[in-house]
Amino acid sequence: QVQLQESGPGLVKPSQALSLTCTVSGGSIITGDYFWSWIRQPPGKGLEWIGYIYYSGSTYYTPSLKSRLSMSVDTSKNQFSLRLSSVAAADTAVYFCAGVRRGKGIDCWGQGTLVTVSS
Amino acid sequence: EIVMTQSPATLSVSPGDRATLSCRASQSASTNLAWYQQKPGQAPRLLIYGVSTRATGIPARFSGSGFVTEFTLTISSLQSEDFAFYYCQQYNDWPLTFGGGTKVEI
Repeated sequence: QVQLQESGPGLVKPSQALSLTCTVSGGSIITGDYFWSWIRQPPGKGLEWIGYIYYSGSTYYTPSLKSRLSMSVDTSKNQFSLRLSSVAAADTAVYFCAGVRRGKGIDCWGQGTLVTVSS
Repeated sequence: EIVMTQSPATLSVSPGDRATLSCRASQSASTNLAWYQQKPGQAPRLLIYGVSTRATGIPARFSGSGFVTEFTLTISSLQSEDFAFYYCQQYNDWPLTFGGGTKVEI
């Protein structure tokens, strides 16, 4: 069973970049089954899907964040990563990495990591 | 993007009751609709995909129905562990979008 684990700083200063990595275990990231995604949840609020990266490196970013967002994949380490630039307090959230399976929705999730944007 | 709207925002029920949660899409989601359960401090868990197919390990008291833009999650007899937040989500088109959630409380 595929398991995901986020890692990265829990505190980022305003205007700087937020960087997170997701490590995939129990399966290979090189599978055509999954669109590897990031989802965030501000404290006390709902879920926002941010974007995906496919194992081939192709990406799709949600339009509202597209200008500040980049994702990458490292198949040798079975990892994929998120970078969100020019962060502000509104980017404070729990960030989940997740796998969107073709035809089945999001069937694997990391535990989530809280990132706070504050000086 | 497809906007998902859930109602009610909060559903107050008693153990053993039947709970009905609604989700509406601003345009067709076809059959690419999923439901998730989330408890405080935890990641969401996939309950239902393809409108009505239960994910692995999900009890039969959870059922989904609907078509195109109107969808329903029904919990036939609420157990204590079912009190949580529930989110619908469409995966018919990118970007994926979630509803705002329904809190099922005692």
